[in-house]
Amino acid sequence: GQNIDQPTEMTATEGAIVQINCTYQTSGFNGLFWYQQHAGEAPTFLSYNVLDGLEEKGRFSSFLSRSKGYSYLLLKELQMKDSASYLCAVMDSNYQLIWGAGTKLIIKP
Amino acid sequence: TAGITQAPTSQILAAGRSMTLRCTQDMRHNAMYWYRQDLGLGLRLIHYSNTAGTTGKGEVPDGYSVSRANTDDFPLTLASAVPSQTSVYFCASSTGSDGNTEAFFGQGTRLTVV
Repeated sequence: GQNIDQPTEMTATEGAIVQINCTYQTSGFNGLFWYQQHAGEAPTFLSYNVLDGLEEKGRFSSFLSRSKGYSYLLLKELQMKDSASYLCAVMDSNYQLIWGAGTKLIIKP
Repeated sequence: TAGITQAPTSQILAAGRSMTLRCTQDMRHNAMYWYRQDLGLGLRLIHYSNTAGTTGKGEVPDGYSVSRANTDDFPLTLASAVPSQTSVYFCASSTGSDGNTEAFFGQGTRLTVV
């Protein structure tokens, strides 16, 4: 079966750095997405990786290793507004998105 | 800019009743999707449409139907609601259905079936 694993919850301190991991097992691979979802709101796009390596976008970076079925989202200089759930999703061979359950990130002052 | 709009925002529905969740986008996106989101689970695809006039079944299609008469609208119908359909429903759209295609989500419909 297809599976996306990410930690259920993480806690970090304002101003610090946090890494959210995602491992996947899917039938085929056509890219990995990270979305941010604040409580009670819709998911919003953060990043897309299809090749191995690191993609940097401001305070957020996303890394992919296809051979390991592994990705991480790195958030730097954490702000209180970064408190949200972070969703990992993989596009499989049928171009369908398979979603992880999300990681709830709690930022403490 | 409206983007993608869902209605209603929330609804309490008696079991056995039918209901249509509305979704409209003004971005001229070809692909549209309906997901449900339940606590502790990832978003699960109910139905999708890669272009106007076509639809397909997702991971959890039973009890739901969709239509795509035009590019903008993608309604989701529950023919006879059951309590297990209590969930938050998200409609989404994207320019295409393959590769690096960012999905834009509506604000969601919170449905409670009693």
